[in-house]
Amino acid sequence: QKEVEQNSGPLSVPEGAIASLNCTYSDRGSQSFFWYRQYSGKSPELIMFIYSNGDKEDGRFTAQLNKASQYVSLLIRDSQPSDSATYLCAAPAYSGAGSYQLTFGKGTKLSVIP
Amino acid sequence: ETGVTQTPRHLVMGMTNKKSLKCEQHLGHNAMYWYKQSAKKPLELMFVYSLEERVENNSVPSRFSPECPNSSHLFLHLHTLQPEDSALYLCASSLSAGNTEAFFGQGTRLTVV
Repeated sequence: QKEVEQNSGPLSVPEGAIASLNCTYSDRGSQSFFWYRQYSGKSPELIMFIYSNGDKEDGRFTAQLNKASQYVSLLIRDSQPSDSATYLCAAPAYSGAGSYQLTFGKGTKLSVIP
Repeated sequence: ETGVTQTPRHLVMGMTNKKSLKCEQHLGHNAMYWYKQSAKKPLELMFVYSLEERVENNSVPSRFSPECPNSSHLFLHLHTLQPEDSALYLCASSLSAGNTEAFFGQGTRLTVV
């Protein structure tokens, strides 16, 4: 069973702080990793993807990937109350016969306290 | 707006009813998916279609029946559901199956009574 693991939280940070969200994956063959944000009652929306080891920055968001340790993280700088949501980590996992299955973690619920 | 549209947004059905969920994507993607999201559970992949051919069926009960008439449309036919099938049903599409980012529709909130 290929898995993607996340701490379900809730993770509470004060407004303006850095929120750090972590994810580990079991399929060493995974090459691409995605972070989705899901507001309560809404569908997931893609906010970041990363393919290479190291950091990738996009505005207040930084994704970090370490393939040797099989973890990927998302940092949110200057956290805002509007960042309060559940963050889902996803990675493709090989499911046989040349096909992949995008596997999601359970998500980490983030609360940014004003 | 992600380019993936689902209807209806909300559905209440009895256990003996038959209904269908509809999904349409305008992104030119080749893969489409049905996911189920229950409270406090991870997203569960139900079905994957690639170029209109079903490539994954993750042991979903037969009371859920997918249909993909073309690469832009996906249906989920429902019959004799159980109350535990109440959940948010999400459709998604991606350029290719499983290894590229998926774009989600707004979901159908299904309640089985």
